[in-house]
Amino acid sequence: QKEVEQDPGPLSVPEGAIVSLNCTYSNSAFQYFMWYRQYSRKGPELLMYTYSSGNKEDGRFTAQVDKSSKYISLFIRDSQPSDSATYLCAMSEGSGGYQKVTFGTGTKLQVIP
Amino acid sequence: SAVISQKPSRDICQRGTSLTIQCQVDSQVTMMFWYRQQPGQSLTLIATANQGSEATYESGFVIDKFPISRPNLTFSTLTVSNLSPEDSSIYLCSATVSGANVLTFGAGSRLTVL
Repeated sequence: QKEVEQDPGPLSVPEGAIVSLNCTYSNSAFQYFMWYRQYSRKGPELLMYTYSSGNKEDGRFTAQVDKSSKYISLFIRDSQPSDSATYLCAMSEGSGGYQKVTFGTGTKLQVIP
Repeated sequence: SAVISQKPSRDICQRGTSLTIQCQVDSQVTMMFWYRQQPGQSLTLIATANQGSEATYESGFVIDKFPISRPNLTFSTLTVSNLSPEDSSIYLCSATVSGANVLTFGAGSRLTVL
């Protein structure tokens, strides 16, 4: 079983739709949860960063963490064609200095105008 | 956040040769990392490059195949040696500025081995 599971998609939605991207994980020691966005032929860029359980909102993006279910989500409201990219979830354990980051395989999203 | 430049952006190499990828950061960073990204697979950490010491390799990656240099706090190189078609992949350099778990990535180097 992989430490982090992510549906690879592709996911195709019409412009304006609400998008839900999800990851599950098996390591209960993960405390830091991140979402990266990767455009074609570019490196991943950090989109959202959350610690422990709960929600975090940034504009049209909401990150949700449910540690009891080992499940994280990224919601995109009013999706735009510019949101078309691959979204990678990532997570790491906590406490003291750098901890190795484990990535999901990424979900490819296409927003159709 | 730091800006990371990688070169070459892409290259086509013959099997048995080597390719060295350069990574330049516009500010001093604590830790630098080299990842491999293959289609349909998650980003795989190859090694952590620390200034002034040998790189720390992940399971399945060895120094003879992936020698790494880190001569200062803003620069690192990854060499992929004795190339085979299985080495065809995107190689990504990344760094963390403050030791936090937030990574900044370069645009990647796409390697094709014939």
